Amino acid sequence: NAGVTQTPKFRVLKTGQSMTLLCAQDMNHEYMYWYRQDPGMGLRLIHYSVGEGTTAKGEVPDGYNVSRLKKQNFLLGLESAAPSQTSVYFCASTRFWRERNEQYFGPGTRLTVT
Amino acid sequence: KQEVTQIPAALSVPEGENLVLNCSFTDSAIYNLQWFRQDPGKGLTSLLLIQSSQREQTSGRLNASLDKSSGRSTLYIAASQPGDSATYLCAVISNAGNMLTFGGGTRLMVKP
Repeated sequence: NAGVTQTPKFRVLKTGQSMTLLCAQDMNHEYMYWYRQDPGMGLRLIHYSVGEGTTAKGEVPDGYNVSRLKKQNFLLGLESAAPSQTSVYFCASTRFWRERNEQYFGPGTRLTVT
Repeated sequence: KQEVTQIPAALSVPEGENLVLNCSFTDSAIYNLQWFRQDPGKGLTSLLLIQSSQREQTSGRLNASLDKSSGRSTLYIAASQPGDSATYLCAVISNAGNMLTFGGGTRLMVKP
């Protein structure tokens, strides 16, 4: 049981390049999330999914797209990377909603955009 | 908009001390509050989750309390150890939304 895994662990992009971050969970969780963590800004929600085939915007969705084609995977895409997207990206998942929404996090992807 | 604040931002204590970390939130209409631990360069590990109908949760040397009406939670760590050194984050899920809102964290160092 690997929990929540993220690929890649590190990446350096040039401005304007694109990439996809992959999150996978083997806990059969229904709900999945993408966050970014920045110094002084804390953790902020980018997008989330309440089930296979569904996605919704979080607090800071601009510049990102997501897809949830399979229940166990949640992809985060950057179509044209900008230096402001330099950050550490975390994926999380949970089985339950509302009161029992206890989120389990992956190890993170450290992205630098030059 | 929900705002979560953690005080202090950093704390350094000698090994063996009991300590309290504080978390406050502006909107008391929450589903739950969660405490996390984050080690440098790592992801977040869930420590305790307190549902809105609960007053406290305990796990080993950790005890978290929740006072919804005053918008406060405390994380109590008993007999601190150097291995407890990490950043501790609290987060809430508000009734108005489906997302976790995080505090800025308390960076704890326990000196041997």
